[in-house]
Amino acid sequence: DAKTTQPPSMDCAEGRAANLPCNHSTISGNEYVYWYRQIHSQGPQYIIHGLKNNETNEMASLIITEDRKSSTLILPHATLRDTAVYYCIVRVAFRQNFVFGPGTRLSVLP
Amino acid sequence: DAEITQSPRHKITETGRQVTLACHQTWNHNNMFWYRQDLGHGLRLIHYSYGVQDTNKGEVSDGYSVSRSNTEDLPLTLESAASSQTSVYFCASSKVGTLRGTDTQYFGPGTRLTVL
Repeated sequence: DAKTTQPPSMDCAEGRAANLPCNHSTISGNEYVYWYRQIHSQGPQYIIHGLKNNETNEMASLIITEDRKSSTLILPHATLRDTAVYYCIVRVAFRQNFVFGPGTRLSVLP
Repeated sequence: DAEITQSPRHKITETGRQVTLACHQTWNHNNMFWYRQDLGHGLRLIHYSYGVQDTNKGEVSDGYSVSRSNTEDLPLTLESAASSQTSVYFCASSKVGTLRGTDTQYFGPGTRLTVL
């Protein structure tokens, strides 16, 4: 699986959009980009995933660059409850193993 | 609602004892996984199963075993607990992948294990 690089921490003001970047410059054509988050002491929570098109669901939007070497997770209106560690994971479809790196610790500030 | 549960949520045991952590899911997912999470290491895969009677070793399987006798459960056994196995353990499950790669893993709430 391709390695990903994320900033170790970010701050965001409550009510503003949180934009979390992820670099995956060695991604291959059949690898998907997944985002999970982990709120303190809880199990990781699935957010969104995509292959090459931008994706949106009720939680977030995923923007993948045209060359697929990076992506951005957007939380449109961050709340205090969005404070968590966010993991960007790249993996081949159908392969079962997710590799969780250190992620980005997002702090939403009042 | 379908869910994934783990028990116990907290466990304290002594070195050398056998410990079993339970994981139960009601989604009828074929695939189940066990991870451990330690400070500075993120989540690491211990064992996984693609279906009944199937088990596979993950990245850090030494000292652990699993068995899959039905779809809903994947218990994790520590044969002889060691202090190095003090950790938070997460179970996850996913359905068989589809063309869209939607074999998303869903995680349980975790078990905090302390080995003294």
